[in-house]
Amino acid sequence: DAGVIQSPRHEVTEMGQEVTLRCKPISGHNSLFWYRQTMMRGLELLIYFNNNVPIDDSGMPEDRFSAKMPNASFSTLKIQPSEPRDSAVYFCASSWGGGNTIYFGEGSWLTVV
Amino acid sequence: GENVEQHPSTLSVQEGDSAVIKCTYSDSASNYFPWYKQELGKGPQLIIDIRSNVGEKKDQRIAVTLNKTAKHFSLHITETQPEDSAVYFCAATFGNEKLTFGTGTRLTIIP
Repeated sequence: DAGVIQSPRHEVTEMGQEVTLRCKPISGHNSLFWYRQTMMRGLELLIYFNNNVPIDDSGMPEDRFSAKMPNASFSTLKIQPSEPRDSAVYFCASSWGGGNTIYFGEGSWLTVV
Repeated sequence: GENVEQHPSTLSVQEGDSAVIKCTYSDSASNYFPWYKQELGKGPQLIIDIRSNVGEKKDQRIAVTLNKTAKHFSLHITETQPEDSAVYFCAATFGNEKLTFGTGTRLTIIP
């Protein structure tokens, strides 16, 4: 299996621009997670989906962030408009069922200037 | 909500020696405790996990112990090698899929 696939791997954008991060979970997994990693706050769960339905978005920082999962093999995390404080590594992860191993992608490194 | 504390934040050990990283959690209902290793520029990778019905689990040079009464669990790496250098994260969940991560330990193996 190719694992969790994220794109882009690196993105540099100007403040105010829209950013879209993409994720393809491991085939057969029914849970998908978006995490953000920064030096200051560590690994934070932003949102997670189960069977394509958002279950908990309490970690989404503010209305500028939105996430969708239109089907079992694709999810997006969108930031509009982006701000410098959004600079971080965004990880997508997936698992099968509750309490099972969560597998991470390689991350999308976002820099907002 | 769940809170996971991890210590130390940095750890340097001589190659061949053992390394121990400790975590405590707040929710007594937590029942799944994975450990992840993150190398530079990569995503966290699961290296070992333990469930609440077990007190210890080993996988070659890596072991994890769990003390449910004290609400703490530890990662033990024996015979450390240079490739063990990385950031290690503990995590805990009470089965609803929401993993809460510790703040990480940067482990450096000194050749």
